[in-house]
Amino acid sequence: AQSVTQPDIHITVSEGASLELRCNYSYGATPYLFWYVQSPGQGLQLLLKYFSGDTLVQGIKGFEAEFKRSQSSFNLRKPSVHWSDAAEYFCAVGGTSYGKLTFGQGTILTVHP
Amino acid sequence: EPEVTQTPSHQVTQMGQEVILRCVPISNHLYFYWYRQILGQKVEFLVSFYNNEISEKSEIFDDQFSVERPDGSNFTLKIRSTKLEDSAMYFCASSDPTAGLEYEQYFGPGTRLTVT
Repeated sequence: AQSVTQPDIHITVSEGASLELRCNYSYGATPYLFWYVQSPGQGLQLLLKYFSGDTLVQGIKGFEAEFKRSQSSFNLRKPSVHWSDAAEYFCAVGGTSYGKLTFGQGTILTVHP
Repeated sequence: EPEVTQTPSHQVTQMGQEVILRCVPISNHLYFYWYRQILGQKVEFLVSFYNNEISEKSEIFDDQFSVERPDGSNFTLKIRSTKLEDSAMYFCASSDPTAGLEYEQYFGPGTRLTVT
């Protein structure tokens, strides 16, 4: 069965600092990996995705993520965080097109000025 | 930019009542999904729907739940007899059948269902 673990429930960073949100997955075959962001009162917005190819993927809002098969990880990074990045971030794994996504429990990001 | 919309944003109902949650997927999308998130817990898959039938469903999606695409634009989730434990945020999502995009699911803002 597929599963996702986000070890950090809550992370606080200062504006301008770098950010890394951790995600570990379990899946028997090549996974499709996603990061979503949810701002208060909003839906889940797709930040970036990995299907195959280059293991470093770029997304919207200056985010990137690196797929490491040997570590079963797909960590999200941003070199310089902005106050508007404060939100909850979800990592998700899917195995097939049109199939279900399995989500991690989310990481809440707080940004201090 | 096209987006998935959901109505209502908040629904309060009494235990045992039927509720219908409504979604308008992105217009050219053909795969539709429902997920839910109980407060403080993970987002959980409920069901996927394609070509007027269920493609996949989770253990949560029992006989109390049903989905329907009543017309060319709406996608609904019905809970026949609500229980307290059905209280959650319900998200609708859709995906584009175009090659290379079919793996991406786009989510609506959610409907918060409160069962009292």
